[in-house]
Amino acid sequence: DAGVIQSPRHEVTEMGQEVTLRCKPISGHNSLFWYRQTMMRGLELLIYFNNNVPIDDSGMPEDRFSAKMPNASFSTLKIQPSEPRDSAVYFCASSIPIPGHYEQYFGPGTRLTVT
Amino acid sequence: AQSVAQPEDQVNVAEGNPLTVKCTYSVSGNPYLFWYVQYPNRGLQFLLKYITGDNLVKGSYGFEAEFNKSQTSFHLKKPSALVSDSALYFCAVTLNTDKLIFGTGTRLQVFP
Repeated sequence: DAGVIQSPRHEVTEMGQEVTLRCKPISGHNSLFWYRQTMMRGLELLIYFNNNVPIDDSGMPEDRFSAKMPNASFSTLKIQPSEPRDSAVYFCASSIPIPGHYEQYFGPGTRLTVT
Repeated sequence: AQSVAQPEDQVNVAEGNPLTVKCTYSVSGNPYLFWYVQYPNRGLQFLLKYITGDNLVKGSYGFEAEFNKSQTSFHLKKPSALVSDSALYFCAVTLNTDKLIFGTGTRLQVFP
């Protein structure tokens, strides 16, 4: 298996622009997670889906952030409009929500820089 | 509420010496516990997990972790550290879902 795939790997954009991050989970994994990692705040869970349905979006910073999962093999995280404080590494992870198999598998991340 | 603590921001150890990265947890019930490693410019990589059974769990790259219920700890260990083990290590806990609660991370520095 190719693992969790994220694109783009790097994104540089100007403040006010829309940014879309993409994720393809591991085939057969029913849960998908979006995280943000910064030096200041560490690793933060933004939102997670189970069977394409958002279960917990309490970590989404504000209305500028939105996430979708239209099917089992694709998810997007959108920031509109972007701000410099959104600069971070964004990770997607997937897992199988079965007892004994709760470990999450992470993608390589998207490094976002907003100038 | 579930929580996990990694009391050390950084651990320094000489190559060839044993290493320990500490983790304590707080949950009401029987936890599932995990260790992850993050190398520079990479995603988190699963190392090992404790579900039930033997308190000593073996994982990738020669790492192991010991579950101690009385001390609510799950320390990561390796008998002989390598320079290539230098990375950021995360402990995580969950009670009964795949939504993991991660610690703040411990940076391990192994000196030649």
